[in-house]
Amino acid sequence: GIQVEQSPPDLILQEGANSTLRCNFSDSVNNLQWFHQNPWGQLINLFYIPSGTKQNGRLSATTVATERYSLLYISSSQTTDSGVYFCAVGAMDSNYQLIWGAGTKLIIKP
Amino acid sequence: NAGVTQTPKFQVLKTGQSMTLQCAQDMNHNSMYWYRQDPGMGLRLIYYSASEGTTDKGEVPNGYNVSRLNKREFSLRLESAAPSQTSVYFCASRPQGTRPNSPLHFGNGTRLTVT
Repeated sequence: GIQVEQSPPDLILQEGANSTLRCNFSDSVNNLQWFHQNPWGQLINLFYIPSGTKQNGRLSATTVATERYSLLYISSSQTTDSGVYFCAVGAMDSNYQLIWGAGTKLIIKP
Repeated sequence: NAGVTQTPKFQVLKTGQSMTLQCAQDMNHNSMYWYRQDPGMGLRLIYYSASEGTTDKGEVPNGYNVSRLNKREFSLRLESAAPSQTSVYFCASRPQGTRPNSPLHFGNGTRLTVT
């Protein structure tokens, strides 16, 4: 089945820094989402981005489907950005199941 | 607009006890999902329901059963709880149908401990 790898596994930054999180996947996908799990465990949908580039405030994401990777950019980090960021992809032969990466744990220090 | 609502938020069971986790969505979504999340890991799919009246196994279905009661509600049942089922359980939904590749929306999770 499709494999999803996220890097780095852990990231510690000072408030105000920028960061780039990466998601590599092993096969063609028809769905890719980025999620933020906050320290209280809530999962928040950041981007639905099977291809192309999207921006939402200080966050943006780019997926290069032909090269099988996606990047999540966080600019001017705030302490509220702390948590775990997950990438999840849907294989081309499945409309229903998402395969999840192990996540990047981000800690923003004040 | 409540989105996806899960109950209960927390539950402690003894080995062998049974319980049902409830999930309801008010977004008129066709597809619903149950995931479990273990410490330090991503989510794993237990069961899903592509549309009302259908259910299918995911990656880790053993020890669980599901019921798609109607379009809004999708419940997960543990018939005989085991310590290995200690986890955080998430319900999710998404439109499907005319939008087969669409974003997932999650509930806030149920933290289950089996002693």
